[in-house]
Amino acid sequence: EPEVTQTPSHQVTQMGQEVILRCVPISNHLYFYWYRQILGQKVEFLVSFYNNEISEKSEIFDDQFSVERPDGSNFTLKIRSTKLEDSAMYFCASSELGRSYNEQFFGPGTRLTVL
Amino acid sequence: KNQVEQSPQSLIILEGKNCTLQCNYTVSPFSNLRWYKQDTGRGPVSLTIMTFSENTKSNGRYTATLDADTKQSSLHITASQLSDSASYICVVIPLSGGSQGNLIFGKGTKLSVKP
Repeated sequence: EPEVTQTPSHQVTQMGQEVILRCVPISNHLYFYWYRQILGQKVEFLVSFYNNEISEKSEIFDDQFSVERPDGSNFTLKIRSTKLEDSAMYFCASSELGRSYNEQFFGPGTRLTVL
Repeated sequence: KNQVEQSPQSLIILEGKNCTLQCNYTVSPFSNLRWYKQDTGRGPVSLTIMTFSENTKSNGRYTATLDADTKQSSLHITASQLSDSASYICVVIPLSGGSQGNLIFGKGTKLSVKP
């Protein structure tokens, strides 16, 4: 069964460093998403992406964040200058279409630790 | 403010017993409501998706109900198994032009099934 994959599973970085989290969505899906979950907190929406551009973003997704689909398979989240409070699980998701009833499939997540 | 509240925060039951998890939401208008299962350190996996016009939806031993008038949903698990130990998350998708970029997550109920 096709699934969303994410790499790395765990990333440790120093405060102020740039990190890139990678995701491979399900191949025939057109809509891509990033979420984060701070330890013990609820999952929070960051951004949705379609047709090579951001379609929606939350207040969390400020200028420090960017997303890109560099090729036909990868979808990346870049954090330019990491802060301690960026430590969280980051989940990528994809859906076949972007309608509200379309199911989103989540990847296993990348645990980001900022020291 | 759009919010999703879940109760209880955690629950311990014996294998084979039934349980019911609750979700109250203030998201209005909304497109659909979903229940996800999230194993520790993994991404959420969809269990049920209900539109605002549906009252109940089943998926094996999982049955979700929705009362759009009182803005409440429940997830009933029948004949629990050890593998049901996970967090169960209620998610509401606001009606925003048909898109689904911004899922509103509850904090989840952590269920532990003991032998």
